[in-house]
Amino acid sequence: AQSVSQHNHHVILSEAASLELGCNYSYGGTVNLFWYVQYPGQHLQLLLKYFSGDPLVKGIKGFEAEFIKSKFSFNLRKPSVQWSDTAEYFCARVLSFGAGTTVTVRA
Amino acid sequence: DTEVTQTPKHLVMGMTNKKSLKCEQHMGHRAMYWYKQKAKKPPELMFVYSYEKLSINESVPSRFSPECPNSSLLNLHLHALQPEDSALYLCASSQLAGRTEAFFGQGTRLTVV
Repeated sequence: AQSVSQHNHHVILSEAASLELGCNYSYGGTVNLFWYVQYPGQHLQLLLKYFSGDPLVKGIKGFEAEFIKSKFSFNLRKPSVQWSDTAEYFCARVLSFGAGTTVTVRA
Repeated sequence: DTEVTQTPKHLVMGMTNKKSLKCEQHMGHRAMYWYKQKAKKPPELMFVYSYEKLSINESVPSRFSPECPNSSLLNLHLHALQPEDSALYLCASSQLAGRTEAFFGQGTRLTVV
């Protein structure tokens, strides 16, 4: 089955710190990859997506992700987080979601 | 309009009740989905409709019955649910099933008593 795995369950960091969340996808099948964010009390929103082409993908709110085929990875990054980035982050492949990473940013 | 609208926002039902969840989108999307999300867990795919036809049923118990009356509407009929079915039920839509990003509704918080 096509799936993704996320390594970090809970990440706590201070404002202005850099963030990187890991996501690995399984071999084979369609590589349509997404990162979604779920802010407290809000609906899931798309941060960015990768289907093909440039492996460095820019998303909303200053997020980016890099598709590395040799590592089966699609890690999410943000150079400097804000308190408002506190949320649940999900990597997804096609229609299946990873376990999610809770990100807590301390002011 | 990039919204997926779900009603009701909250629902409490007894184990013998019959209720329905509703979802609507006006983005012209041809794929619609139902997901179930438990607290602190990722959304789990339940059903996929593509061009108004059920294309994926992820082995969901028959007490959940989806319906797609037209390309803008998606219903989930509930009957004889169990307390463990209590969860957030999310509706989503996309241009094409599984090949484009999904837009999610706010969800219906369901409690089965």
